[in-house]
Amino acid sequence: GENVEQHPSTLSVQEGDSAVIKCTYSDSASNYFPWYKQELGKGPQLIIDIRSNVGEKKDQRIAVTLNKTAKHFSLHITETQPEDSAVYFCASFNYGQNFVFGPGTRLSVLP
Amino acid sequence: KAGVTQTPRYLIKTRGQQVTLSCSPISGHRSVSWYQQTPGQGLQFLFEYFSETQRNKGNFPGRFSGRQFSNSRSEMNVSTLELGDSALYLCASSPGLDTDTQYFGPGTRLTVL
Repeated sequence: GENVEQHPSTLSVQEGDSAVIKCTYSDSASNYFPWYKQELGKGPQLIIDIRSNVGEKKDQRIAVTLNKTAKHFSLHITETQPEDSAVYFCASFNYGQNFVFGPGTRLSVLP
Repeated sequence: KAGVTQTPRYLIKTRGQQVTLSCSPISGHRSVSWYQQTPGQGLQFLFEYFSETQRNKGNFPGRFSGRQFSNSRSEMNVSTLELGDSALYLCASSPGLDTDTQYFGPGTRLTVL
């Protein structure tokens, strides 16, 4: 079955710097890749997603890139702010299958 | 539009008991999925329901079961609770079959003593 790896497991950055989180997946048939942000005591919140027919997508300070050949995708957060501190999960999905999540990255933005 | 709601938010049970958790999806959404989240195993898929039918099931024992009602609300049940069942149980809804975008509720924190 599908396997999703995520790195790093923890990441600390200074406020204003950029943060990059990388995920790799194993099933070449996977075609949808969302990113979720989970704050303490809350459920995961969808922050950005990308489909397999797109190489890059951007939403203000957040961007996601997808390399289908290498089977990896990345989350980029620019100009980080303290409120970006949370756990971030990547996931992969193929129609007819269920979502498979990465183990998560704990991002700390230091003021 | 209201988001996904889950009740109760917190539960404390003892080993051997059973528990029922409830999820109300976003209005108009017909697909509901359940996940178990633990520090050691991360987010693991339990099952997915669409139009009152279980469409997909994860690798969990038969003690874990669920159902969906005609109004798309869903419940999951865990019987004969074990200490290892302590987790955050998350419900996610999506508009329909083979619709990829999922939205999560706040979860139910289950503690088994």
